[in-house]
Amino acid sequence: DGGITQSPKYLFRKEGQNVTLSCEQNLNHDAMYWYRQDPGQGLRLIYYSQIVNDFQKGDIAEGYSVSREKKESFPLTVTSAQKNPTAFYLCASSIDRRQGANNEQFFGPGTRLTVL
Amino acid sequence: DQQVKQNSPSLSVQEGRISILNCDYTNSMFDYFLWYKKYPAEGPTFLISISSIKDKNEDGRFTVFLNKSAKHLSLHIVPSQPGDSAVYFCAARGEYGNKLVFGAGTILRVKS
Repeated sequence: DGGITQSPKYLFRKEGQNVTLSCEQNLNHDAMYWYRQDPGQGLRLIYYSQIVNDFQKGDIAEGYSVSREKKESFPLTVTSAQKNPTAFYLCASSIDRRQGANNEQFFGPGTRLTVL
Repeated sequence: DQQVKQNSPSLSVQEGRISILNCDYTNSMFDYFLWYKKYPAEGPTFLISISSIKDKNEDGRFTVFLNKSAKHLSLHIVPSQPGDSAVYFCAARGEYGNKLVFGAGTILRVKS
């Protein structure tokens, strides 16, 4: 089955600890994204990557870091510098728009991170 | 600065009737618009999209209308079903790149 997987579904961490959220896709998509969703708010872009070994900051990148060493993987690290890390984190992927006009993003199931 | 706005936090509709979800945007450079549906604790799923060169796109019970002069789009669901109850997000893509800008979402409740 083609799709995007995120693990784990629920994650608990103590304040001050770094934590890495996994995102894997087997859709052969070039572009990958990380969003954060908070209650009553839309999806806010944290980081995105249009190609392997390259990524750009989104609207709320402070306190987060990413890597894109492989096309299918885009892990997100929530560092201790992120002031309010408890949220629902969503990973997405899409074909590059240069490959097709309709490059809707496909989302994973999400990871609920709770910092205690 | 919210470039994509969904001003109705929630909408309640009777089963079988029409649901109309609205979305406004401010950036005239957006060239592609999408609607996503999301259930609690799940990722959003793509529903329907429309290019800025069109004013209407239809897919089964779902129709999206785009009014570029008003910078407004709407999603019509006819007939509404209880399974349509979810959060609906409007999203827009800029002229370059792959980034999407999302609205805050509208909670749709379809009552049976």
